Amino acid sequence: GAGVSQTPSNKVTEKGKYVELRCDPISGHTALYWYRQSLGQGPEFLIYFQGTGAADDSGLPNDRFFAVRPEGSVSTLKIQRTERGDSAVYLCASSSRAVDTEAFFGQGTRLTVV
Amino acid sequence: QKEVEQDPGPLSVPEGAIVSLNCTYSNSAFQYFMWYRQYSRKGPELLMYTYSSGNKEDGRFTAQVDKSSKYISLFIRDSQPSDSATYLCAMSGDTGGFKTIFGAGTRLFVKA
Repeated sequence: GAGVSQTPSNKVTEKGKYVELRCDPISGHTALYWYRQSLGQGPEFLIYFQGTGAADDSGLPNDRFFAVRPEGSVSTLKIQRTERGDSAVYLCASSSRAVDTEAFFGQGTRLTVV
Repeated sequence: QKEVEQDPGPLSVPEGAIVSLNCTYSNSAFQYFMWYRQYSRKGPELLMYTYSSGNKEDGRFTAQVDKSSKYISLFIRDSQPSDSATYLCAMSGDTGGFKTIFGAGTRLFVKA
């Protein structure tokens, strides 16, 4: 595709449920990033992949959050035992370089935990 | 204290005005300085980036970085209603610092 694609665009889930958020990066981009954006705030770094491996996962808030990128392209962010505080827009970005000065963002997945 | 501070606004200006948006930061390791524009319910879109100190111009947009003061600015000349959006400053390090830190964003309204 022409840009970064994220699915679903909206997700409503009940507290305690498991959710998966998907990111399709721009073809050929080796670097992929996940961010979380709460209302009125800037994006907050979660995890960075270079190829298939997580090069920096220091932003994941706790062990309920996990992300994979098994073939170095599509990535899935997984959240277990969701809490109301997890409600936010989850953004994915990709770039062709390790330093994300030219990262392209998807439109985000709006997660609401009720 | 946050690593990156940005006035959330909102900032309202008439069409044609010069807009000045600013951020301050505390981490002297930051080397890359970016400005993103984000429309409502959309992902951020990169406008400009600057490496280290100095100025960079692109059309109606000028980015300035003053590392000695830990202060960055974005100027928008001849502002248009289509410039109405949230502007996010962002910065990252130079030594494997893949973690980009964003400001909270400034909401800008340009009135026709």
